[in-house]
Amino acid sequence: GAGVSQSPSNKVTEKGKDVELRCDPISGHTALYWYRQRLGQGLEFLIYFQGNSAPDKSGLPSDRFSAERTGESVSTLTIQRTQQEDSAVYLCASSSRLADTQYFGPGTRLTVL
Amino acid sequence: AQSVTQLGSHVSVSEGALVLLRCNYSSSVPPYLFWYVQYPNQGLQLLLKYTSAATLVKGINGFEAEFKKSETSFHLTKPSAHMSDAAEYFCAVRGTGNQFYFGTGTSLTVIP
Repeated sequence: GAGVSQSPSNKVTEKGKDVELRCDPISGHTALYWYRQRLGQGLEFLIYFQGNSAPDKSGLPSDRFSAERTGESVSTLTIQRTQQEDSAVYLCASSSRLADTQYFGPGTRLTVL
Repeated sequence: AQSVTQLGSHVSVSEGALVLLRCNYSSSVPPYLFWYVQYPNQGLQLLLKYTSAATLVKGINGFEAEFKKSETSFHLTKPSAHMSDAAEYFCAVRGTGNQFYFGTGTSLTVIP
C-alpha cells in the first residue's frame, strides 16, 4: 500500500508569509508525528496526534506553529509569519499503535527568504 | 528524561570493513530504542528496534545492534560495509510521553 506522503516537497516563501504543510499518513495509522530537521541536525519533535485524544503540542517552538488533524486522516502543519530560522525539512511520521514503528514521509523542504 | 547521544557525526569506512556507529541513551524508564537510516533525498527508514526482548537485535541489510544496559548503549554494527550503506543514520529512544527523541545523526561514508 501507499506510504506516508507529504506535500509540497519543496516550498520557498518570503519572510512574514504563512505556509501550510500537508501530511497523508498510512491508512489506519492512529498516531501521527511532526518533526523538524534543520540542516546538519537531528530530528526535533514538534507535535503528536493519537486518535481522537488531545494532541501533545509540547514540542511546538512558538505560537506561530500550529497543527490540525481530523480523526485519523490528513494533518496540516501551519507556520504563521515565517522567519528565516524556520527554514528546515519538516518530516511527518505515522504508526499503527504506541511505541510501534514510525513510518516517515519524504519531508517538505521549507526555505524562508 | 530521555535522550540519545551519537558519537561521531561523520564515520568513514572502507568497503568490506566493519561498520560501528555509536549510540548512548539516557532514559528514566526501560527504553524502546530504534535505529533509522536516511538515504539521500529520501525519508527515514527503520533499520531495527529494541523493545525489551532479545538484547541483540537484527535488522535489515545485515545491520544489528546490541542493547547493553550497563553501558546505556545501543551501538549499530555491520560486519562488512557495502557502497550502498552510505547514508545518514539516526538513533532514537521513545520517551514516556510517546515522544521519540532522535540523535543528531551519523553520516556514513563508504570508501571503495
